[in-house]
Amino acid sequence: QITLKESGPTLVKPTQTLTLTCTCSGFSLSTSGVGVGWIRQPPGKALEWLALIYWDDYKYYSPSLKSRLTITKDTSKNQVVLTMTNMDPVDTATYYCAHSNPRAFDFWGQGTMITVSS
Amino acid sequence: QSVLTQPPSASGTPGQRVTISCSGSRSNIGFNTVNWYQQVPGTTPKLLIYGNNQRPSGVPDRFSGSKSGTSASLAISGLQSEDEADYYCATWDDSLNGPVFGGGTRLTV
Repeated sequence: QITLKESGPTLVKPTQTLTLTCTCSGFSLSTSGVGVGWIRQPPGKALEWLALIYWDDYKYYSPSLKSRLTITKDTSKNQVVLTMTNMDPVDTATYYCAHSNPRAFDFWGQGTMITVSS
Repeated sequence: QSVLTQPPSASGTPGQRVTISCSGSRSNIGFNTVNWYQQVPGTTPKLLIYGNNQRPSGVPDRFSGSKSGTSASLAISGLQSEDEADYYCATWDDSLNGPVFGGGTRLTV
């Protein structure tokens, strides 16, 4: 079955760069039509899409965060990595990765809570 | 401010039918299909409806979706206490070139 799991630090300092890894199983990142996205949710707030990468390496970024985001995939490890630069306390949120098939997020990771604080 | 507009709250009693609206524009709902997600507080979002009105395996037929023009709706019939959750609409936005979510609707049963 399809599963995704996010990993990364739980605490980052302001101005630091956040690196999150999504380890995928049950599907291949090289399969036609497959995508993996990152979505975040600040405490008590709505879902916000961040970035999306497809099997053919096409990448999409939230316009409001594009300058700070980079999404990549490692097909051999079946992992997707998101980096976000210049972290700020307002970036405190639960970060989810999710399988996209092709434009609905049908399987989600459990999420990882990231706190930005000095 | 979300690109897609949802009412912040909705409520109903067990057995009732409730609908949740989602308003967008030509560049998103107007030209793309709509998905709905359910998030029970403290849990991960779950895909409830995709392609405007399709239910993934395991989703009860009490849940239905529809779309007309630049708006979409989620209907829940035979309301149950376990349906108490946050509901989010989402679609692709051709202008923003990416997915967009609504602000979410908290359903109280």
